Amino acid sequence: EIEMTQFPATLSVSPGERATLSCRASQSVDVNLAWYQQKPGQAPRLLISRASTRASGVPARFSGSGSGTEFTLTISSLQSEDSAVYYCQQYNNWPPRSTFGGGTRVEIK
Amino acid sequence: QEQLLQSGAEVKKPGASVKVSCKASGYTLTRYDLSWLRQAPGQGLEWVGWMNPDSGYAGFAPSFQGRVTLTRNSSINTAYMELSGLRSDDTAVYYCARGQLTTVFPYDTWGQGTLVTVSS
Repeated sequence: EIEMTQFPATLSVSPGERATLSCRASQSVDVNLAWYQQKPGQAPRLLISRASTRASGVPARFSGSGSGTEFTLTISSLQSEDSAVYYCQQYNNWPPRSTFGGGTRVEIK
Repeated sequence: QEQLLQSGAEVKKPGASVKVSCKASGYTLTRYDLSWLRQAPGQGLEWVGWMNPDSGYAGFAPSFQGRVTLTRNSSINTAYMELSGLRSDDTAVYYCARGQLTTVFPYDTWGQGTLVTVSS
């Protein structure tokens, strides 16, 4: 099973500043990597698929990059509503398998 | 509006089984693959398995193989996840989530979650 490691565990950033979240896979996942945002009491929300494709309705300040084993989610100018936990997910479409990272909590300083 | 509507919270005793439903609204269940995930209190997301609601074909994460059954009733646009042999560490919010038109992943539509509590 592919293990996903996210770091840092917690990130404290001032409004308007850049937030950089990292995700590492234990073996190559090509670009089969998604990012989700989860706020307390809510289901996760898809932000990024295929490592760098923004989902419909996601603000342009969210961007994803990387391939293979190293991935990054960048929030270019943090807004108060971006306070949440962010998860990366690797997936293999056939046979379907998936694992998630442990999450990064983004706090507003 | 396309959405997934899950059944309400459950409290079960160790060793029992639980069946959670997930009703597709605004679209036809059989058009998209459906996955199930869970999240223990204060923890991260864990993938349980997936089903093609059209064919009924399903697959599971290794840690759930043999304990989870995924079914559907297309006539009422509803999918089900049944987990047997419940243990205290099965206490979690269980989610159903919809894949893309041609792939299982990633998930653009999620159910609201169903809290399953396992306690004696």
